[in-house]
Amino acid sequence: DTAVSQTPKYLVTQMGNDKSIKCEQNLGHDTMYWYKQDSKKFLKIMFSYNNKELIINETVPNRFSPKSPDKAHLNLHINSLELGDSAVYFCASSQTEVATQYFGPGTRLTVL
Amino acid sequence: KQEVTQIPAALSVPEGENLVLNCSFTDSAIYNLQWFRQDPGKGLTSLLLIQSSQREQTSGRLNASLDKSSGRSTLYIAASQPGDSATYLCAVRPNGNTGKLIFGQGTTLQVKP
Repeated sequence: DTAVSQTPKYLVTQMGNDKSIKCEQNLGHDTMYWYKQDSKKFLKIMFSYNNKELIINETVPNRFSPKSPDKAHLNLHINSLELGDSAVYFCASSQTEVATQYFGPGTRLTVL
Repeated sequence: KQEVTQIPAALSVPEGENLVLNCSFTDSAIYNLQWFRQDPGKGLTSLLLIQSSQREQTSGRLNASLDKSSGRSTLYIAASQPGDSATYLCAVRPNGNTGKLIFGQGTTLQVKP
């Protein structure tokens, strides 16, 4: 009965590789988000989708490409991984753009 | 540019004590404000959401207040318990960009038995 789930939980990879993180919500929400939490625990929004449409893109490098195949899924693909991409990535969802956001457990990405 | 600050960065209290966590924001043009809890290695759990027109919200031992004009919110925890130990994050949702939450860096609370 997990509300917002992410896979994988941990991801260790080499610089230059391409990787994807998947997110699914079973709450029936219209809006989904990707956040990045850096080593100092600072949490910052990257993208937001509403009904599969991109509504927020926070000056994220174009190596990051979100994809929303349907309202329940928002995946994050990262090309040409760099050391600075190492962080915890959180997916979240909300019923509307102004409603309470519910977060997934996070994916810890380590780029070597 | 909206900035959110939480003071103190860390707090340690004995069990049973009442405590207040502070959050300040630089731009009062907010739609709402949300308090979250984050346990180590886990995601965020929403605690309370206060609309810009509200002054406070309560849930159990938690009470959050909002003073939009002064750019402040507080989270009051009554009768603290060791299980309350976590990082507490405040986030504001700006007017006009309502899909976006801007987070503070959190206050890490330790409640000692």
